[in-house]
This record gives sequence, structure tokens and C-alpha cells, in this order.
Amino acid sequence: DTAVSQTPKYLVTQMGNDKSIKCEQNLGHDTMYWYKQDSKKFLKIMFSYNNKELIINETVPNRFSPKSPDKAHLNLHINSLELGDSAVYFCASSQDWVGGTDTQYFGPGTRLTVL
Amino acid sequence: DQQVKQNSPSLSVQEGRISILNCDYTNSMFDYFLWYKKYPAEGPTFLISISSIKDKNEDGRFTVFLNKSAKHLSLHIVPSQPGDSAVYFCAASGGGTYKYIFGTGTRLKVLA
Repeated sequence: DTAVSQTPKYLVTQMGNDKSIKCEQNLGHDTMYWYKQDSKKFLKIMFSYNNKELIINETVPNRFSPKSPDKAHLNLHINSLELGDSAVYFCASSQDWVGGTDTQYFGPGTRLTVL
Repeated sequence: DQQVKQNSPSLSVQEGRISILNCDYTNSMFDYFLWYKKYPAEGPTFLISISSIKDKNEDGRFTVFLNKSAKHLSLHIVPSQPGDSAVYFCAASGGGTYKYIFGTGTRLKVLA
């Protein structure tokens, strides 16, 4: 059983398109995250949700919109894709978020390529 | 502003020897540090952590050392095994920020 899963694993699309990446965790965690790993290998947090509420929203273009239908799911929708959006996107979850000490469990990543 | 730095992009070590991976941070308010391991085409997996109230934490072959005055932490793997070959990321949190700040990773290659 995969603890944190993401779909799709690979996504190739044209500039200007809208796409979504889905994430599900079966760990019973309350907090979920989206990270972006760019070409320089920086792994940066984008968003975090706790019990379906947004708690971290980094400086990310508003073309990126997370949606959490329930505690087990956090999807990422990206509008009007740009070349610079090409990256690997990781979803993660943790039991809680207080103090930033809860271990985060990562999904396998989604490699997005914008042509 | 890169608050967590891993200055060695890669490291090669002979099997059975010690691997030492280093990480420096700039924010003195960080109070929790972690190491993650990442294999190709997989997500990072948690390895070991340390709170700022400690200077050492050990888990089997893995030991993390924290030097707060130098704002430096290191991960020691003894003995190194070929299966340890992966990219290792250090991360830090605290100082009022409830999120991890990751370094750029060090690729470890353990030679058989």
C-alpha cells in the first residue's frame, strides 16, 4: 500500500494549457503539502493544508491553486502553464504541523514538462 | 536567500568506510533538523532528525551531529553500503516558520 500517491507520474503539456496533479495519502494525517523541485534541485514548499484549511501559502503565482476536498486529498491545479513551471512536484503529508517537527512523508513526485 | 546549504554536490566513498555529509544553515532560530534520502524517481524518505537541545542523535548506522555555534550539522553513515547510494537532503525548521527549508542535496555514491 502506497502511503502518499500522486497522479500522474509524468505530465507533458503545451504552454498555456491548464492541468491538475492529484495527491492522496492513506496515513490518516491531518496535514498535506505541495513542494516544487526546480532544475537547480531546490525543494521548496508551495502550500500546506491542515484539516482542509490553508495554513502555508508561499509566494506562488495565483495560477497555482490547491484544493483539498478532504483530509486525505490535496490536488494542485495549474492554469495557463508556462515554461518555468517545468519541475518535479512532490506532495507530502504529516500527522500535524505544529512547530514544524512532524515528520513529512513524500509522494513519488510528478515530473511536469511544459513545451 | 538560501538558508540551508549543502556545499558538496557529490561524494564518493568506498563500501565499508564512513560517509560524512555536511550541511550549514544561517538562521540561528532553526531548532529542528532532519535528513532525508532520495532515490531516483522516488520521493524523499525520512532518515533521521535532531532537535537543537541535543548535539547528537544515533539510529543504527546513521548519526547526526549538530554544532549550534557553527550552525553546522553532519550526517555520518558507518559502515557505508552500496544501497546507501542516493541523494541526501538536509532540512531545517523553527524560528516561527512551520515549514521545512531544504538544502540542495548531496549525491552519495558508495563504491563496491
